[in-house]
Amino acid sequence: GAVVSQHPSWVICKSGTSVKIECRSLDFQATTMFWYRQFPKQSLMLMATSNEGSKATYEQGVEKDKFLINHASLTLSTLTVTSAHPEDSSFYICSVSTTEAFFGQGTRLTVV
Amino acid sequence: GENVEQHPSTLSVQEGDSAVIKCTYSDSASNYFPWYKQELGKGPQLIIDIRSNVGEKKDQRIAVTLNKTAKHFSLHITETQPEDSAVYFCAASINAGGTSYGKLTFGQGTILTVHP
Repeated sequence: GAVVSQHPSWVICKSGTSVKIECRSLDFQATTMFWYRQFPKQSLMLMATSNEGSKATYEQGVEKDKFLINHASLTLSTLTVTSAHPEDSSFYICSVSTTEAFFGQGTRLTVV
Repeated sequence: GENVEQHPSTLSVQEGDSAVIKCTYSDSASNYFPWYKQELGKGPQLIIDIRSNVGEKKDQRIAVTLNKTAKHFSLHITETQPEDSAVYFCAASINAGGTSYGKLTFGQGTILTVHP
C-alpha cells in the first residue's frame, strides 16, 4: 500500500499564530489527498479533499479561510491552520487512496 | 449524507477468545467498507476491507462480513492476543472510481482490550 508521511508529528503554537502541517506520499503520485481531524476519544471526520493543481474541496462546516490547503505537487499537500485558537487543538491526519485508503501517522496540534 | 453506526463502544475479552464488532450504514450507494486499527497517538492502519460485490473476506485471524440488504458489516477477530488491543474503526465510502476510496465516513470506534 501507499506510504504516507506527515510532518511534524506534534506541534505547540500560541493562540493567534498559524501552523503548517505537511503530508507526503512517499511511493505514490497522489492527485488527491484527504485531510481528517480527530478530537480526543472521538472518531475521524473528513475536513477536506486536496486536489493537485486546483482548489481543495471542503466539507460542510469547515472554514476554508481558516484551514488553508495547498497541493502543489503529486507528493505533497499542506494544511495551514491560520489564526489558531485552543479549540483547533486536535489530531490532524492525512490520507492517500489508491484502491484503498492509507493514512499518515498524524499531527498532534496543541494551541496554547 | 452517509451515517455509520458502530457497536460496541468498548469490548473486553480474554486472550484466545473471539471479538466481534458491528457497523451499520445508511447510504445504500456505499460500496467500500474498510476497517482500521488505531493505536494511541498513531494514524489508523488498514487491517482489512470488503467491497459490495463480496459477502465475506478473511485474512488469517481477521474476517469481515457484509450484508448489503441489511446494510451492516462486521469485523471478526479470532484467537485474540494482547497486541490486538487498540481502537478499531469501521468506515464506508462510495467508490465512483479513481481516488474516491479515500473519502470515508467513520464509525464511532470500538476500544478493544484483550486481557492476558
